[in-house]
Amino acid sequence: DAGVIQSPRHEVTEMGQEVTLRCKPISGHNSLFWYRQTMMRGLELLIYFNNNVPIDDSGMPEDRFSAKMPNASFSTLKIQPSEPRDSAVYFCAGRRDTTEAFFGQGTRLTVV
Amino acid sequence: DAKTTQPTSMDCAEGRAANLPCNHSTISGNEYVYWYRQIHSQGPQYIIHGLKNNETNEMASLIITEDRKSSTLILPHATLRDTAVYYCIVRPARRNTGTASKLTFGTGTRLQVTL
Repeated sequence: DAGVIQSPRHEVTEMGQEVTLRCKPISGHNSLFWYRQTMMRGLELLIYFNNNVPIDDSGMPEDRFSAKMPNASFSTLKIQPSEPRDSAVYFCAGRRDTTEAFFGQGTRLTVV
Repeated sequence: DAKTTQPTSMDCAEGRAANLPCNHSTISGNEYVYWYRQIHSQGPQYIIHGLKNNETNEMASLIITEDRKSSTLILPHATLRDTAVYYCIVRPARRNTGTASKLTFGTGTRLQVTL
């Protein structure tokens, strides 16, 4: 198994542009999490899905952020429009039931 | 979820045991203690978890006090590759959706293993 796959690994974009981050969880994992990590705020949970259904999006900072999980093998996190303060490393993680979570390698986003 | 308190940083000599403490004095009866670590530029990695009994796996040992208000993660023979931020997390064990599924990370302990 290749583990949790995130793409792209690095993204540099201009302020105001739309950014889409992608995640492919491990097959069989029915919970999926999106986290954001910055030096100032550490690891923050943005949203999580269970069986493709969003359960808690209280961590999503603003309406500019949206996340979808159209099927069990794919999820996206979209920022539109992006702002410099969105610069961070975004992690996707998956889990089956209540077992341990497996994290991807992250997407480093820089908004200039 | 119960709050955890960890030291900001620790040093350990290579080959020695690293003992990382965690306080979770408000832990409730159905909450597990989980440990993850994050090596620089990588995603967090699961290490171990436990409820009441001490646990051991190929990576580490977890010692939970009898009152469950604190725990210690032990890396028996630390290597340079163990240099990372170690997170202690308390999470309910309910097997359904909702807040039980959340993994909330604190600031963790930055462990530096030195020669």
